[in-house]
Amino acid sequence: SQQGEEDPQALSIQEGENATMNCSYKTSINNLQWYRQNSGRGLVHLILIRSNEREKHSGRLRVTLDTSKKSSSLLITASRAADTASYFCATDSSNTGKLIFGQGTTLQVKP
Amino acid sequence: GAVVSQHPSRVICKSGTSVKIECRSLDFQATTMFWYRQFPKKSLMLMATSNEGSKATYEQGVEKDKFLINHASLTLSTLTVTSAHPEDSSFYICSARPLDGGHQETQYFGPGTRLLVL
Repeated sequence: SQQGEEDPQALSIQEGENATMNCSYKTSINNLQWYRQNSGRGLVHLILIRSNEREKHSGRLRVTLDTSKKSSSLLITASRAADTASYFCATDSSNTGKLIFGQGTTLQVKP
Repeated sequence: GAVVSQHPSRVICKSGTSVKIECRSLDFQATTMFWYRQFPKKSLMLMATSNEGSKATYEQGVEKDKFLINHASLTLSTLTVTSAHPEDSSFYICSARPLDGGHQETQYFGPGTRLLVL
């Protein structure tokens, strides 16, 4: 079953602005991962944050994790039109690799 | 970086036929691969875990006789949709988890296979 809830479901911003997406989950986790999917394509792994970590950075991406609130956020700074895609969070509760995906946020960055 | 391929990328078949989808890890070995299904504008739903050399583990509600999984080697898993019906039309995505212990948390996704059953 899907345990992740993401908001917003859709986000439209101008190039150069920051985009923030949120993810909430229900059970305890080993790690939480963020993926990107361009329309009709496979998934690209963006960043993984472990349950004992609170924040991680990778280029223009910043991910936070609050295990007490069972939530995570993905911030994309200085967005570009090429960032237009769907973004999914996924949780791994057993460290077996079985991922439970959130519903996703569709991001549109207007040039 | 690690690459996972899927073949075919797109398939159209008649109702009642069986369709085989291959998932290959091209530059790493994977004892575990995963099969997901995605409906349009929806999230990915885990169908099953494919284990090399043993039976696949199916998620609740997924018919194992309908979706046959074989993990014949450390680089190949296949999903066969048997007696396909229009409701099986979907986007099927696999992922593979490298054998290397240092990066076991990360898994790599294939580009997906779009199945249309007429």
